[in-house]
Amino acid sequence: GENVEQHPSTLSVQEGDSAVIKCTYSDSASNYFPWYKQELGKRPQLIIDIRSNVGEKKDQRIAVTLNKTAKHFSLHITETQPEDSAVYFCAASSTLSFGAGTTVTVRA
Amino acid sequence: DGGITQSPKYLFRKEGQNVTLSCEQNLNHDAMYWYRQDPGQGLRLIYYSQIVNDFQKGDIAEGYSVSREKKESFPLTVTSAQKNPTAFYLCASSMGGRSVAQYFGPGTRLLVL
Repeated sequence: GENVEQHPSTLSVQEGDSAVIKCTYSDSASNYFPWYKQELGKRPQLIIDIRSNVGEKKDQRIAVTLNKTAKHFSLHITETQPEDSAVYFCAASSTLSFGAGTTVTVRA
Repeated sequence: DGGITQSPKYLFRKEGQNVTLSCEQNLNHDAMYWYRQDPGQGLRLIYYSQIVNDFQKGDIAEGYSVSREKKESFPLTVTSAQKNPTAFYLCASSMGGRSVAQYFGPGTRLLVL
C-alpha cells in the first residue's frame, strides 16, 4: 500500500503553545486526508479532514493544511490544552494507509 | 461511536488455535475494515469490505480471514498461521468509498497464552 510518513513521532509542548504534525504521501491519486485522535485506551476518532480541492481547513483550535504539489499535509493545534494530549494519526485515502502516529504531550 | 461494537474486549489464544473477533455496526454503513495496531506502527490494514459478500486483502492479510455475510457484521478470524497475533485489533466502518471518514470500534486486545 501507499507509504504515509508522519513526523515527529513524539511532541512535547507547553500548555498554550502550538503543535504541528506533518505527513507526506506518495500516491497522487489520494484526494482525502483525515486526522484521527486516539486517547489512551480508547478508539481513534476523526478530528478534522481535508479534501484535495481545498488548501486549508479550520475548526476552532485545529487546522489542517494541504500542499498537493509537495504531497504533504499538516495538522496545527493552537493554544494547546492538557486534553490535547493523545496520539494523532494522519491517513491518505487512496490505499487506506495511516501514518505511524505522533504522541503529543501537553505540559501544564 | 456507539454504533460500532467489538467483542470481546480481551481475547486469549492458545498456540495452534483459531479465534474470531466480532465487529457489528448499526450505522447502515456499506464499508467495513479491520486494522491491527502495534506500538509505534500506527494502523495497518488487514482486510476491508466495500459491500456484502465481497472483501479485499489489505497490507497484512496473511494469517487472517474474514467474511461479510451481512451488512452489519464483519468478523475477523485470526488463524494458527498468524505467528505473531498479539496486538490491538480495531474494526471500522464508513459510508463507502475511500474518501470518507471511518468510525472505529472500541477494539479487541488479543493476547497469546
